Amino acid sequence: AQKITQTQPGMFVQEKEAVTLDCTYDTSDPSYGLFWYKQPSSGEMIFLIYQGSYDQQNATEGRYSLNFQKARKSANLVISASQLGDSAMYFCAMREGVRSGGGADGLTFGKGTHLIIQP
Amino acid sequence: NAGVTQTPKFRILKIGQSMTLQCTQDMNHNYMYWYRQDPGMGLKLIYYSVGAGITDKGEVPNGYNVSRSTTEDFPLRLELAAPSQTSVYFCASSTRGQSSYNSPLHFGNGTRLTVT
Repeated sequence: AQKITQTQPGMFVQEKEAVTLDCTYDTSDPSYGLFWYKQPSSGEMIFLIYQGSYDQQNATEGRYSLNFQKARKSANLVISASQLGDSAMYFCAMREGVRSGGGADGLTFGKGTHLIIQP
Repeated sequence: NAGVTQTPKFRILKIGQSMTLQCTQDMNHNYMYWYRQDPGMGLKLIYYSVGAGITDKGEVPNGYNVSRSTTEDFPLRLELAAPSQTSVYFCASSTRGQSSYNSPLHFGNGTRLTVT
């Protein structure tokens, strides 16, 4: 079973609109972290935002926020007021705590969503 | 700080050749990782290391080898390259601790490898 599922292979959004990128995860570990990365066409992996399994409030970083619904195992990324420079691949990833001795074996990634912002 | 540095950026190999992808980090991170990314896919873990002298297999280790003689360096060796190893390879690192699962991975810029 996939641990991270991103159901939107591609999305087209008008500039200045808000965007929600979906991510669901599967784990029985009580301690885990959820991460979003951006990969522009130049190829580098850019860390955007993080949410911990014990965090009570949704994470925010500038125009990025994470809509964390723990009971539904959902961690959607919301980008407010989208810009042309937001066009990129976006990856949701999870790092499990207990199973891997504190996250030693790194991140498990979803397949990504290709976001295109149109002027 | 340079962060995580990978070399080379691009490489073309013939089937059966060998090569080493270099990775070094200057953040004093104990944890280091090698991932591969195939077209249109997410990243898959090849090998990881929790410290000098300690390495372990990830999800897709076949055809690769690693070593970790220092905290800074984590080279990935491809022996007998095959077309299936055509991919983009990323090295990453992170801090170590009881709550390491709260820490993001810091990635290098990747190595684009083609095997023909």
